[in-house]
Amino acid sequence: AQSVAQPEDQVNVAEGNPLTVKCTYSVSGNPYLFWYVQYPNRGLQFLLKYITGDNLVKGSYGFEAEFNKSQTSFHLKKPSALVSDSALYFCAVRDVTDKLIFGTGTRLQVFP
Amino acid sequence: DTEVTQTPKHLVMGMTNKKSLKCEQHMGHRAMYWYKQKAKKPPELMFVYSYEKLSINESVPSRFSPECPNSSLLNLHLHALQPEDSALYLCASSQDPASYNEQFFGPGTRLTVL
Repeated sequence: AQSVAQPEDQVNVAEGNPLTVKCTYSVSGNPYLFWYVQYPNRGLQFLLKYITGDNLVKGSYGFEAEFNKSQTSFHLKKPSALVSDSALYFCAVRDVTDKLIFGTGTRLQVFP
Repeated sequence: DTEVTQTPKHLVMGMTNKKSLKCEQHMGHRAMYWYKQKAKKPPELMFVYSYEKLSINESVPSRFSPECPNSSLLNLHLHALQPEDSALYLCASSQDPASYNEQFFGPGTRLTVL
């Protein structure tokens, strides 16, 4: 069965510093991976996805993610964090029945 | 129009009430989804409609009844809910259920069952 794991419940980073939110996956076949962000009391917003092609995927709001097949990882990154990036981040994988399987989420806290 | 709208934003209901949640998209998407999300947890899939037909029911209790009147609308009818059904209910849509396109989420309906 397809699954993703987000090993960190919370990530703290100072504004202006680079940030990384980790995600590892377990799939049979080709992985179709997604990152979403959720602000308090809001729906999820799509950030980026990996389907095929370049391992470095660029997305919305300056975020990017690196697909690493050997490490089965799809970490979310941003070169310079903003306080407004503070939110809940979900990694997800599309399974063979087209369902999105979400990780448990990582809360990102960016301090001024 | 590139958004999914949901009404109402908030809903408080008693266990004997009947209410409905509504979701709408005008992006021409042919797949629509209902998710339930508890606080600080990931969304849990409830139902998937593909080309206006129910394609996935994740063993959801019958007190939740989905309906897809047309390709732009998705309803979730609620009846005899339990307090543990209190959650954020999210609707989403995607271009084509058979492809690997991203899902677009609405802002959700915050449901409280008393």
